[in-house]
Amino acid sequence: GAVVSQHPSWVICKSGTSVKIECRSLDFQATTMFWYRQFPKQSLMLMATSNEGSKATYEQGVEKDKFLINHASLTLSTLTVTSAHPEDSSFYICSARGAREYEQYFGPGTRLTVT
Amino acid sequence: GQNIDQPTEMTATEGAIVQINCTYQTSGFNGLFWYQQHAGEAPTFLSYNVLDGLEEKGRFSSFLSRSKGYSYLLLKELQMKDSASYLCAASGGDYKLSFGAGTTVTVRA
Repeated sequence: GAVVSQHPSWVICKSGTSVKIECRSLDFQATTMFWYRQFPKQSLMLMATSNEGSKATYEQGVEKDKFLINHASLTLSTLTVTSAHPEDSSFYICSARGAREYEQYFGPGTRLTVT
Repeated sequence: GQNIDQPTEMTATEGAIVQINCTYQTSGFNGLFWYQQHAGEAPTFLSYNVLDGLEEKGRFSSFLSRSKGYSYLLLKELQMKDSASYLCAASGGDYKLSFGAGTTVTVRA
């Protein structure tokens, strides 16, 4: 149990275009999901907290108009990188909160490359 | 704010023991996690400590001292497949995770 999937697993897009990444909890409901970004050889940095039915909470320094988050259901959160630029190229990982508040189950990650 | 410190790299031989230390300063501390991450993959959960003491789980053990803001992950009987990055993460008052930069462990034959 507690499986989280992400789609796509990798994506290449041109500068200026938008990319949507999906995060799904497959066998449990998640009212809270988290989005992280990881640059090469660096640790995970929390970008935002996604809450079902309400607006996402963004960490300091993360542009909410550039990284659009929608948590439309208890099993799906999406992250849209708008007007992507090469510096947005990174590994994006989502996690879903489990039954206990301290539990987080991570998705397999999405590798985004902006050319 | 959050401040998580762990060594950048460690090397050990197959069959040996390695201890990865982590110090943290976290407001509203709610527990300390250790994750394993292979290159290009998402982190996988190893351990969670919220009370002081040692938690043993097979070849891996994790220790926490809340008063000292200190934790360690102990890897015993090292295998080649244990070569990975090990992430220390502290859970804050809102249960958000703050990650350290990770310790790259290289296991040599």
